[in-house]
Amino acid sequence: DAGITQSPRHKVTETGTPVTLRCHQTENHRYMYWYRQDPGHGLRLIHYSYGVKDTDKGEVSDGYSVSRSKTEDFLLTLESATSSQTSVYFCAISESSGLPGLALHFGNGTRLTVT
Amino acid sequence: DAKTTQPTSMDCAEGRAANLPCNHSTISGNEYVYWYRQIHSQGPQYIIHGLKNNETNEMASLIITEDRKSSTLILPHATLRDTAVYYCIVRVGGSQGNLIFGKGTKLSVKP
Repeated sequence: DAGITQSPRHKVTETGTPVTLRCHQTENHRYMYWYRQDPGHGLRLIHYSYGVKDTDKGEVSDGYSVSRSKTEDFLLTLESATSSQTSVYFCAISESSGLPGLALHFGNGTRLTVT
Repeated sequence: DAKTTQPTSMDCAEGRAANLPCNHSTISGNEYVYWYRQIHSQGPQYIIHGLKNNETNEMASLIITEDRKSSTLILPHATLRDTAVYYCIVRVGGSQGNLIFGKGTKLSVKP
């Protein structure tokens, strides 16, 4: 597996509480991504980063913020968790080679339950 | 990005070749075809990609039709561990890599 660690692996939280998920990589890749996966929707991009302090929105960014203060860490924050944010969250990384073989490498996910 | 169409599910006997089709009739000239798979409760895994020519690596082969409107992923000798959801994605090569995953094909390899 590519050196990607997501933490925590499982979390249960209450509606209205803030939650931060962490993605840590040891590959020194420039690009990092947060996806969520829900039944019937497949994988959907939340936010991504193309360098330290450089981030952009994905398809389903409402209710989420991200930060990247170091190359190796990409944090996803739910400022005030809602039940609709119950999901499995995946972090992914890729090199910025500009070549077509820009494969994404994924972590093993964080299962978040908002009650 | 071009839209892709895949069957919802397929079965394959263990040891036989699994052929997974994908239609991408609106693909443009600079778009590549990527295949990923996701084994239950794990993150997706890159398999292979191609532009025009057929490609082969240690995991699979990718056959792209001459008009590029469809492709087939071939797992030559499927094992039970190949049971997964397989995603066909079309994307401009060299872009930022924020691939958009559809619903994929659920491949069940049976003994």
